[in-house]
Amino acid sequence: DGGITQSPKYLFRKEGQNVTLSCEQNLNHDAMYWYRQDPGQGLRLIYYSQIVNDFQKGDIAEGYSVSREKKESFPLTVTSAQKNPTAFYLCASRHTGDYGYTFGSGTRLTVV
Amino acid sequence: AQKITQTQPGMFVQEKEAVTLDCTYDTSDQSYGLFWYKQPSSGEMIFLIYQGSYDEQNATEGRYSLNFQKARKSANLVISASQLGDSAMYFCAMREFYPQGGSEKLVFGKGTKLTVNP
Repeated sequence: DGGITQSPKYLFRKEGQNVTLSCEQNLNHDAMYWYRQDPGQGLRLIYYSQIVNDFQKGDIAEGYSVSREKKESFPLTVTSAQKNPTAFYLCASRHTGDYGYTFGSGTRLTVV
Repeated sequence: AQKITQTQPGMFVQEKEAVTLDCTYDTSDQSYGLFWYKQPSSGEMIFLIYQGSYDEQNATEGRYSLNFQKARKSANLVISASQLGDSAMYFCAMREFYPQGGSEKLVFGKGTKLTVNP
């Protein structure tokens, strides 16, 4: 079945460590997105990518980095510069020209 | 300024009754789209319904309908015959288009927590 896989589901890291969240899709979608969700808040856009080797900052990109070396993959690195990284992270993808977004099941990151 | 406003942090409804979740939006674009998503406690985002700005008819999907009032910039979700499994967070979101490159993104409201009582 086609879909988006985010791994791991739960992630714990010590403060000051970089951590990379995985997002893989087999839908042949062109565009991919990373969103952050905090309790009681909606989703906020971190980064997005329309095509391979190209990506743009979203509304809250500081302290995060991404890469898009393959169409299927859009990993997100949460760096030590991110002041409050504990949150729920959702990856999404979309086929160009279609209105539908597909979301992964999310990664809950806890920094201690 | 918020582009998507959901004014109801929490809503309660009796099983089998209908409920309306409010959403207002702010945009100066002529072309846009509005979504409603359901997020259960497990965290995944479940697509419910979509309304394009040029769609003349209100969108419907099973028990879900979208009450689209363009002049008022509102896109309320109506759930008919509520079920216990409808208890979840509900998010309204709008497609924002970037003029260059054909890219777009989703902008979300803060959500409404719906509780269906037996």
